[in-house]
Amino acid sequence: AQSVTQLGSHVSVSEGALVLLRCNYSSSVPPYLFWYVQYPNQGLQLLLKYTSAATLVKGINGFEAEFKKSETSFHLTKPSAHMSDAAEYFCAVRPSNFGNEKLTFGTGTRLTIIP
Amino acid sequence: DGGITQSPKYLFRKEGQNVTLSCEQNLNHDAMYWYRQDPGQGLRLIYYSQIVNDFQKGDIAEGYSVSREKKESFPLTVTSAQKNPTAFYLCASSPDRVGVSPQHFGDGTRLSIL
Repeated sequence: AQSVTQLGSHVSVSEGALVLLRCNYSSSVPPYLFWYVQYPNQGLQLLLKYTSAATLVKGINGFEAEFKKSETSFHLTKPSAHMSDAAEYFCAVRPSNFGNEKLTFGTGTRLTIIP
Repeated sequence: DGGITQSPKYLFRKEGQNVTLSCEQNLNHDAMYWYRQDPGQGLRLIYYSQIVNDFQKGDIAEGYSVSREKKESFPLTVTSAQKNPTAFYLCASSPDRVGVSPQHFGDGTRLSIL
């Protein structure tokens, strides 16, 4: 069984400030982890993914995330927020073993950027 | 450009009516998925298909049906048995059935009850 917890359904940061969106996971086997972004009335776009290679993963739009096994975390960060980062962000987990491809999503964090 | 096309963008259903949501992909992906999105609940898996002519129930399949007669198409029917169908529906696909490739998403269909 697997699950994802995103702490904070709403996060506000000032333009130019650090963005930190939290994700903790639970998985009975080594996980693959993903962050997606969703703009209003659109589908999800992949930001980045962890698939058991480097623990620090760099994605698009300046985002990165670090896999910390000891903390079962995969937090998303960006050094300097931009107005265009305002969106909803979803963390997702799936087991790494064969034959179990289903993603389990968190409930999302809505990011607001303050001018 | 390759991608996933969902239609219509907005759909209205009358009580007791079945409606079908279209999902077409030209990415040549094997696996396709349907998710339901409700505010504050994230995405929940309805059905998925890993190969043509085969599909499996997800976590909330009751009141829904699907078919996978062609690789590029995976329509979802919301039946009258689904008592709370108002939601945002997302179709997704993956390049293969067992790899680590993440899912690509369409832009969704918003279903409302008249």
